[in-house]
Amino acid sequence: DVKVTQSSRYLVKRTGEKVFLECVQDMDHENMFWYRQDPGLGLRLIYFSYDVKMKEKGDIPEGYSVSREKKERFSLILESASTNQTSMYLCASSPRQGASLGGSYEQYFGPGTRLTVT
Amino acid sequence: GNSVTQMEGPVTLSEEAFLTINCTYTATGYPSLFWYVQYPGEGLQLLLKATKADDKGSNKGFEATYRKETTSFHLEKGSVQVSDSAVYFCALRVFSGGYNKLIFGAGTRLAVHP
Repeated sequence: DVKVTQSSRYLVKRTGEKVFLECVQDMDHENMFWYRQDPGLGLRLIYFSYDVKMKEKGDIPEGYSVSREKKERFSLILESASTNQTSMYLCASSPRQGASLGGSYEQYFGPGTRLTVT
Repeated sequence: GNSVTQMEGPVTLSEEAFLTINCTYTATGYPSLFWYVQYPGEGLQLLLKATKADDKGSNKGFEATYRKETTSFHLEKGSVQVSDSAVYFCALRVFSGGYNKLIFGAGTRLAVHP
C-alpha cells in the first residue's frame, strides 16, 4: 500500500515563527503536492513538485515555500507564520503521468497536519 | 476557468436511507472525474472515478455516472451506513500549464444516524 506520512498531526506556532511541515512517501512517486483545506473552500493547491529539486506554484503560493531535496520528501515552509495560515495542511503524492488527459490519475494523501498560529 | 460545485452540507440521514450528493463541473475538454472521501481524522482517499462520458464509477456501494450533457457527476448510494459518515469531495483532473492537476469541490459532510 502507498503510504504518505506527515511529521505532525497537530502543531501550534506563534505569529512570526518559521514553520516546517514535512511529508514523506514510500512509493517512489515522482509527483508530490501540498494543499490546505479550509471549511467551505475544499482543498487548494499551494505548491507541487514533479521531480527532485523542481517545484511549481499552485493556486495559493503566497506566504509559503517548498523544498524537495530527495524524491521521497517534500517540505512546506512558512517563512513567517501568520494567523491566516491557521488551517489543515495535506500532502499528497502520485506517480508520473503522461501529458494526455486520458487514463486514471490518483493522488495518495497523508493524514494531514492541523496547524494553529496564535 | 475550471471549477467544481458541490451541494452544501451537512447532509444528515438515517441508516439505510438513499444518498445523493450533487456535483457539477466546469472545464474545457474532457476531464476525468473523481470522488474522494475523508473519514474523521484521516486524509483523503479515492472512492471512485470515471474517465470518459457515460462511464460509471463504483466502489463500496457508491456509484457516480459521468454525464457530459449536464456536466455532472452525482454520487449515490442505495442504503447508507453509520460508517459512511465522512466528508465527500468531488474533483476533476485538468491539464494546465504542462501538468495534470486536481481541482476539488468544497466538500459535503455526511452524517448517518442509527
